[in-house]
Formats: sequence, C-alpha cells, structure tokens
Amino acid sequence: AQKVTQAQTEISVVEKEDVTLDCVYETRDTTYYLFWYKQPPSGELVFLIRRNSFDEQNEISGRYSWNFQKSTSSFNFTITASQVVDSAVYFCALSEGRRSQGNLIFGKGTKLSVKP
Amino acid sequence: GAGVSQSPSNKVTEKGKDVELRCDPISGHTALYWYRQSLGQGLEFLIYFQGNSAPDKSGLPSDRFSAERTGGSVSTLTIQRTQQEDSAVYLCASSLNAGQGNYGYTFGSGTRLTVV
Repeated sequence: AQKVTQAQTEISVVEKEDVTLDCVYETRDTTYYLFWYKQPPSGELVFLIRRNSFDEQNEISGRYSWNFQKSTSSFNFTITASQVVDSAVYFCALSEGRRSQGNLIFGKGTKLSVKP
Repeated sequence: GAGVSQSPSNKVTEKGKDVELRCDPISGHTALYWYRQSLGQGLEFLIYFQGNSAPDKSGLPSDRFSAERTGGSVSTLTIQRTQQEDSAVYLCASSLNAGQGNYGYTFGSGTRLTVV
C-alpha cells in the first residue's frame, strides 16, 4: 500500500538555525514521484520540488535542499539558516507512476515555526 | 486561465443544506483532482477526472458527495445534506494529464466550508 509518513508534527526553531523535515514513503511501484509543498497561513499550497524515482541526486535551491535516499525510502527536506517567513506547514507527497490516476498521497504535514 | 480558480472562497451553510463547490482548472489541463483538508487530518484525495470521466469514485467519503465535470473544463463538487463533519477546506488541482508520467499539479486556493 502507498503511504507517506511525516513523523514530526511540529517543529520550532529560532531564526538562522538549520532544520530538517523528515519524510518516509511506501510504495510498490518502481516508478513514482515525490513532492514537497509549503502551506503558509494563507492556505495556498506552494509547490517546492518534484523528484522522480530514477533520480537520486540531491538538490539544492538557495537555502532549501532535499536528500532522496531510495535505500531508506526517505525524501528529507532541509532549510538552512531558517527565516521567519519559512513558518508554514510543509507536506511531503507521493504520486505513483504506473497507476492511471496520478493522484497525490500526502503526509500529515509538519508545522514549522521559526521564531525571531 | 492563468491559475486554478475555486469558488466560493468561503462558504457557511446550515446543516442539512446542499452546497456546490466550483473549480476552474488551467486551460488545457485534462486532469482535475479534488482533495479535502480537514483540521488535523491532512489532505485527503476525493476524486479525479481525466477529461469528463471520473474512473474512480472510491475516495468520496459518502454517497452525499458527488462531482461532475463538463466540457473537460469546470468541475463541480456537490455535497448533499451537509453534516458538521463536512467542514473542511476543499482543494482542487489540475494537471496536464493523468497517469503516464507526471506533469506536476497546480492547486487552487481552496474553498473553506463551514457547516453550522
């Protein structure tokens, strides 16, 4: 069965600290896609990254970086030098490639609070 | 349109009344998805459309929920005889196509439904 687990419900850090949000997924498909979304207090889901199962290269985008490890079925997200504007709920999600519908399976989300 | 548009943005309704939620996807996107975000429950997949067809309705929480899509564009999610547990944010997303590869998703801002 497909499943996404975000074990951290809430994380609180002080500005400029680094923080890592964990994501563990389960799927039987060999082709799948992993996503991270940010949901600020305004409620809109903001796309951050999409990664397919054949690309295990880590990715860095400014202060954001992602560590994809198929061996541990994890797709962790690190924010370096966190800022107050990073405060939001972050969702990890999975889409299986061979299924016909392509819907996203979301984790429960991690609420990140960055304090000044 | 430029983005996914949902209306209304907020809806307060009395228990037992019917409501209709509308989603206008990005022009040219053939796949459309409905999700529900309840407080503390994460994002739950409800139904998807490929064109006007909804192959899998098993995600709908009860037979009070139905959805349709006409002209391969606008979709309406209808909840009949609303209950308090239906209170949630209903999110719509569209994608270029469903299945066979993954083209990413664009989310609307959601409709916040409150049943009193």
